Amino acid sequence: AQKITQTQPGMFVQEKEAVTLDCTYDTSDPSYGLFWYKQPSSGEMIFLIYQGSYDQQNATEGRYSLNFQKARKSANLVISASQLGDSAMYFCAMRAAGGYQKVTFGTGTKLQVIP
Amino acid sequence: NAGVTQTPKFRVLKTGQSMTLLCAQDMNHEYMYWYRQDPGMGLRLIHYSVGEGTTAKGEVPDGYNVSRLKKQNFLLGLESAAPSQTSVYFCASSAPDRKNTEAFFGQGTRLTVV
Repeated sequence: AQKITQTQPGMFVQEKEAVTLDCTYDTSDPSYGLFWYKQPSSGEMIFLIYQGSYDQQNATEGRYSLNFQKARKSANLVISASQLGDSAMYFCAMRAAGGYQKVTFGTGTKLQVIP
Repeated sequence: NAGVTQTPKFRVLKTGQSMTLLCAQDMNHEYMYWYRQDPGMGLRLIHYSVGEGTTAKGEVPDGYNVSRLKKQNFLLGLESAAPSQTSVYFCASSAPDRKNTEAFFGQGTRLTVV
C-alpha cells in the first residue's frame, strides 16, 4: 500500500526567506514518482515539481527544489525566496507503478508567508 | 486548451437524492481519477480508471459509483446522497506512458448535501 505523510499542518515563513515542507512516504514498489502540488485559496491544483525514484539528482523548478532522500523515504519541498503569492496549501503525492498508477496524496501543509 | 473540465461546479442536494458528476478531458489520457477533499484530510481517492471500460476502487469508494464508457469521460454517481458526502470533488487525468507525468486536475465541484 502507498502512504504519504505530511506532519506539518501549518507553517509560517517570512517573505524572502526559504522554507522546507516535509513529506515522507511509504511504498514497497521500487519504481515510483513523487509530486508536489500547490492549492491556492481559489481551489485549483497546480503541479509544482516531480522526482522519480531512480533519478540521481534532486529535482529543481525555479524557486522550488525537492530534497529527495531515498533511504529515509523523504521528499521535502524547499521554496527559496518566499513570496506572498506562495501562501497556499501544499500537497505531496506519490504514484507507484505497482499501484496501478493511482496517485496518493498527503493531508497537506498550509503555508502562510508573512510580509 | 480545456484540459480537464468538471460539471457542475456547485450543487446542493437533499439527503437521498441522486446525481452524477461529469469529468471530461481532452488530452487523450488513459488514467482518470475521482478524489474528494475534506478539511484536514487531503485528497482521498474514491475511484479511478486505467482505461476505457475499466474502473477500480480507491480508498473511500462506499456510496459512489463510476463509469468510463468513453476514454475522455469519467462519471461519478451518488445514488442516495448523504450529508457525509458534503465535500469538494476533484477529477484528474494522467498519461501512463511516462511515470513522471503529473495528474492534471479539474477545477473541482463543491457539493453540499442537506
